[in-house]
Amino acid sequence: DGGITQSPKYLFRKEGQNVTLSCEQNLNHDAMYWYRQDPGQGLRLIYYSQIVNDFQKGDIAEGYSVSREKKESFPLTVTSAQKNPTAFYLCASRLVAHQETQYFGPGTRLLVL
Amino acid sequence: KQEVTQIPAALSVPEGENLVLNCSFTDSAIYNLQWFRQDPGKGLTSLLLIQSSQREQTSGRLNASLDKSSGRSTLYIAASQPGDSATYLCAVTIAGGTALIFGKGTTLSVSS
Repeated sequence: DGGITQSPKYLFRKEGQNVTLSCEQNLNHDAMYWYRQDPGQGLRLIYYSQIVNDFQKGDIAEGYSVSREKKESFPLTVTSAQKNPTAFYLCASRLVAHQETQYFGPGTRLLVL
Repeated sequence: KQEVTQIPAALSVPEGENLVLNCSFTDSAIYNLQWFRQDPGKGLTSLLLIQSSQREQTSGRLNASLDKSSGRSTLYIAASQPGDSATYLCAVTIAGGTALIFGKGTTLSVSS
C-alpha cells in the first residue's frame, strides 16, 4: 500500500524543547516538502529536498531544521528558536521527472504546553 | 513575488446547486495550477492539475479552467452534494520552481 505517513498525529512541545516530526514515503518519489498551515491560512513552505543529502529553505525556514539521509524519509525538527510553533504540519512528496502533483500525508498537529 | 488569492473565503449552498470557486494569481509565469480538497484536520487530496499549456481539466462533476494571461482559474462543481463540504485550495507552481504556492482556500458547506 503506497503512500505518505506522518507521525505522530498530535505532538506536544514544552518551552525550550526541540521536537521532531516524522515523514516517510514508499512512493519512490524524489522530492519531499514540509509545509506549515495556520488556521484560516494556506500552506507555507518550510523546507524542501529534491535529492538525498540536499535540501533548500522555503519561505519560513527560521526555527526549523531537516535532514534527507534516505530517499524515503524527510524528518522535520522544530527547534526552541521557533517561537510560535503551534500549527498543522504537512509533508508532501513528488515524482520530479514527470512533474506530477504533490501527494500529501495526513499531517501532524503540534501544540505547545 | 507570486501571490495566490481565493474568493470567496466561505460559501454555503443548498444541495444540488452548481457553484464556482475563484482563484487568482499575480504572476502569469506559472508551470501549472492545482486544485486540492482538504477535510477538517486532514491532509490534502489533489483534485485537478492544469498544465500551463492547457485551458481546462475535468474529473466527474468537477471542471477547472485556467486563463494564464488574466491570472485566473475557476473550479466549477456541478450538482453539489453534502459530501462536497470541505476547504478547497488553489496552488500554483512557478516556472522553474518546484514547490507549491497556496491560496488561503474557500470553505464550502453544502446543506441537504
